[in-house]
Amino acid sequence: KAGVTQTPRYLIKTRGQQVTLSCSPISGHRSVSWYQQTPGQGLQFLFEYFSETQRNKGNFPGRFSGRQFSNSRSEMNVSTLELGDSALYLCASSFARNNEQFFGPGTRLTVL
Amino acid sequence: LAKTTQPISMDSYEGQEVNITCSHNNIATNDYITWYQQFPSQGPRFIIQGYKTKVTNEVASLFIPADRKSSTLSLPRVSLSDTAVYYCLVGDNRAGANNLFFGTGTRLTVIP
Repeated sequence: KAGVTQTPRYLIKTRGQQVTLSCSPISGHRSVSWYQQTPGQGLQFLFEYFSETQRNKGNFPGRFSGRQFSNSRSEMNVSTLELGDSALYLCASSFARNNEQFFGPGTRLTVL
Repeated sequence: LAKTTQPISMDSYEGQEVNITCSHNNIATNDYITWYQQFPSQGPRFIIQGYKTKVTNEVASLFIPADRKSSTLSLPRVSLSDTAVYYCLVGDNRAGANNLFFGTGTRLTVIP
């Protein structure tokens, strides 16, 4: 079956703009989690959605938000972009929270 | 914030067994310990998952002591293609929101 897909793969924005990233989970998976990966901070958990509800949230400011649709597809939004938001944003899907997560290839966001 | 720590890097010769440890003093009661492998420009890939004692699959073993405050990923007879960054992922009961924490990652280099 098809893996997790993320769009776009690369994105360049300027400070102050906002951005929306998209994630399509593996068919049948209802849990979608988002992570930020940077060289300095490593992999950091952003939030997790299950059945259209945010179930868990990491320690990120309110500029980072997300949602999940009825077909389990998820989007994350970052408003008022800062230079420090430049990172690889990874989406992962799983059947349930403690199940194996399958990661997408990520969206590399560069903020200028 | 809970701390999940791993050695920053390890070197090993081909054919040797490699053991990578992860310390997670505040693991949540209901959370599992999962290990992932990541190659450059790719999302993490699942290796193995366990809750306690020992788990073995076709590629690795996972050893978890009774107190679950640490875990050890064991890779038997590594090859050059095992050169990657290895992460452990656990939950943090102190955060209250069941955040998921990746370890700092261990860069394994396999030497011919």
